[in-house]
Amino acid sequence: DTEVTQTPKHLVMGMTNKKSLKCEQHMGHRAMYWYKQKAKKPPELMFVYSYEKLSINESVPSRFSPECPNSSLLNLHLHALQPEDSALYLCASSLGQTNTEAFFGQGTRLTVV
Amino acid sequence: GENVEQHPSTLSVQEGDSAVIKCTYSDSASNYFPWYKQELGKGPQLIIDIRSNVGEKKDQRIAVTLNKTAKHFSLHITETQPEDSAVYFCAASMTEINDMRFGAGTRLTVKP
Repeated sequence: DTEVTQTPKHLVMGMTNKKSLKCEQHMGHRAMYWYKQKAKKPPELMFVYSYEKLSINESVPSRFSPECPNSSLLNLHLHALQPEDSALYLCASSLGQTNTEAFFGQGTRLTVV
Repeated sequence: GENVEQHPSTLSVQEGDSAVIKCTYSDSASNYFPWYKQELGKGPQLIIDIRSNVGEKKDQRIAVTLNKTAKHFSLHITETQPEDSAVYFCAASMTEINDMRFGAGTRLTVKP
């Protein structure tokens, strides 16, 4: 199983809503990542979890709150988002943080209205 | 920090032709160079990668070459097929995945 599974695939939320994005992998990977990708741009790193601990936060606004409940799951909690936060949110995982292959999920297409 | 430039931004070829995408990087400490293919509405998929101790790597119709001295690496796709149409991203990384910097992407269109 070389899959990173993200749910939901699409999400439309209002600026006052609270929602969560979910990511799951069963490859035994110990590093997991959240990326944000705007149209026609490359992915931008948001957060890095290593062994279930947050190791990097790329100065992401607090309206994005990551959580790693266990080694297979990664959540991104969303609250009070702005329309400019609309993007494709990608989860990725790798065996460790060092130079190994990173596997990406299909992404959640988020629209903030 | 690392800066990765990718060219061309768009590339259109006829089915059966070859396609070449080139990237340059700025930091000589970078030692891992993956290539990702992203189809419409999907996440990036790793298609091939190369490490700095190797000059070339091939996997069926796809090959990657690395010139460490010139700090550039290229993706070569031979006998292109319509299903090769996608956006391709190169990336360069030093020690950790969070160091990874992506190129701006190349939209490849293969015309039947």
